[in-house]
Amino acid sequence: QQPVQSPQAVILREGEDAVINCSSSKALYSVHWYRQKHGEAPVFLMILLKGGEQKGHDKISASFNEKKQQSSLYLTASQLSYSGTYFCGTEGGTSYGKLTFGQGTILTVHP
Amino acid sequence: EAQVTQNPRYLITVTGKKLTVTCSQNMNHEYMSWYRQDPGLGLRQIYYSMNVEVTDKGDVPEGYKVSRKEKRNFPLILESPSPNQTSLYFCASSLVRGYEAFFGQGTRLTVV
Repeated sequence: QQPVQSPQAVILREGEDAVINCSSSKALYSVHWYRQKHGEAPVFLMILLKGGEQKGHDKISASFNEKKQQSSLYLTASQLSYSGTYFCGTEGGTSYGKLTFGQGTILTVHP
Repeated sequence: EAQVTQNPRYLITVTGKKLTVTCSQNMNHEYMSWYRQDPGLGLRQIYYSMNVEVTDKGDVPEGYKVSRKEKRNFPLILESPSPNQTSLYFCASSLVRGYEAFFGQGTRLTVV
């Protein structure tokens, strides 16, 4: 079953912050975040492993609450280059190695 | 240059005509997978492979076959394509399961 991402779409002005949520109905080993720009392949952002960790690089960070089976991606001081579709992928349940992605969140950053 | 290469990039075919989409990586990665991407549905995993000769079904394996005879190659086979397999397909590889995945440039398949 696909994880559920929210919101489905978000529009920002440069410099604003955004949070994208990813929720699963099964126990998770890991959560993967990718960004895809229009007409391109998805690009890796980060992976969070079971253990409730938080990761970040530059102004993009993420948290993973394994008890709630949820992850959140935080984008601070957004830039035009952040525009794209963000996908969370989850690995868990009884399927070791299988990665299931959410439907995506479209992020648009305006000047 | 480290990369995942898919061929062809674009393909239009007719219902029932067997086809193969190739995927090759030059990074000595163990884990490889295939996804299809359809509007509003995100990326859906078709098959994945943890290593040579080890493949397993993803979420939407029906109508597809794969093989992993050597580490670098992971072809996707459609034995009898149907119009509902019209989609954008991505191959991806990662060092091992649970690591950063590198995606190929995509194959846009149309089945008429």
